[in-house]
Amino acid sequence: DTGVSQNPRHKITKRGQNVTFRCDPISEHNRLYWYRQTLGQGPEFLTYFQNEAQLEKSRLLSDRFSAERPKGSFSTLEIQRTEQGDSAMYLCASSLDSPNGYTFGSGTRLTVV
Amino acid sequence: AQSVAQPEDQVNVAEGNPLTVKCTYSVSGNPYLFWYVQYPNRGLQFLLKYITGDNLVKGSYGFEAEFNKSQTSFHLKKPSALVSDSALYFCAVRDIPGNTPLVFGKGTRLSVIA
Repeated sequence: DTGVSQNPRHKITKRGQNVTFRCDPISEHNRLYWYRQTLGQGPEFLTYFQNEAQLEKSRLLSDRFSAERPKGSFSTLEIQRTEQGDSAMYLCASSLDSPNGYTFGSGTRLTVV
Repeated sequence: AQSVAQPEDQVNVAEGNPLTVKCTYSVSGNPYLFWYVQYPNRGLQFLLKYITGDNLVKGSYGFEAEFNKSQTSFHLKKPSALVSDSALYFCAVRDIPGNTPLVFGKGTRLSVIA
């Protein structure tokens, strides 16, 4: 098991374009989380899944954002009509159903120009 | 609602000296508490956690943290700092019980000077 994998590592896109990120969690972890981190800030929660069910969404997650986790394995986060304010590091994490901490991926850095 | 405060944006310490990175939290019930470290352009790495039991928790790389319920604090400590400890440190909290996601502080940048 190689941990949590995120692709791509970097994405540069023009304002108004759509982007999609992928996260492959640790295989036995049933929970998957998406966070966003901007410069000088801690990670901010976006959404999370237990298996394939999306259980919670932050108010930060505007209508332009959508996340899926088909079959309870990998997850995708799509941002439609990107804006410059979407520029950030998008972090994925996974965990088991327990008080254990999360295992984070290395993140996808999005730059909207 | 749960929240975390890291009152120092930056902590500077000389190599070999003890270090402390401060964290206070707010939850409605009892907390699960965590410390993570982040190196440049990387994700967060788990350092240690407090779930229950002894208030002094030992973690990776010689770090430890002390849970203080009366002061609602969970400060990160290390007896002797290394230059390689220089990084961004995040405290996080989760309420018990429940399935709420971790809430992170805004981070403290630790700089260890040789």
